[in-house]
Amino acid sequence: GAVVSQHPSRVICKSGTSVKIECRSLDFQATTMFWYRQFPKQSLMLMATSNEGSKATYEQGVEKDKFLINHASLTLSTLTVTSAHPEDSSFYICSARRVGGFGYTFGSGTRLTVV
Amino acid sequence: TQLLEQSPQFLSIQEGENLTVYCNSSSVFSSLQWYRQEPGEGPVLLVTVVTGGEVKKLKRLTFQFGDARKDSSLHITAAQPGDTGLYLCAGAYYSTLTFGKGTMLLVSP
Repeated sequence: GAVVSQHPSRVICKSGTSVKIECRSLDFQATTMFWYRQFPKQSLMLMATSNEGSKATYEQGVEKDKFLINHASLTLSTLTVTSAHPEDSSFYICSARRVGGFGYTFGSGTRLTVV
Repeated sequence: TQLLEQSPQFLSIQEGENLTVYCNSSSVFSSLQWYRQEPGEGPVLLVTVVTGGEVKKLKRLTFQFGDARKDSSLHITAAQPGDTGLYLCAGAYYSTLTFGKGTMLLVSP
């Protein structure tokens, strides 16, 4: 089946530093990947759509200069949280859809804590 | 903007009870998915429904897609503690997936 690997699963960083989160589709190619943010006991909020070889599409209210997305290959998208602040602490999840498929496969998420 | 209203938000029941979770929208979706999420993990796809009126069964879980493809329901028969988790419906519109707010289900022994 389709597997999406997300790394790291947990990260603690200091305020002002940057953190990179990787999302890899292991056994399929994904021209489009999605990045979500989830607060405790709440649903997933789409942050941006990552398109291979082109610029990401950000949802309204998401700062593109703060959340840098790179989708350099058909199997890898990265989200970099730049100049992180405590309010950026959250659970970040990526997903990918196999070309021609309906269902979306999610990574296991990254718990980011900014101290 | 495609909006999905999911209800109830919280459900606490005893083992053996039945329950239904609803997902409603004023928009038409090309498909609708149901996911289950455990704490600290990503959502896991349970089922995708595509055709209006479609009914799919997955052991004790029954999923239904409304005739107009605007709503869906998830029915669990004889719930077990292992069913505890966050259930999310998500509607697909082109390549975008819109999530409902989720239903936190707690099944007590």
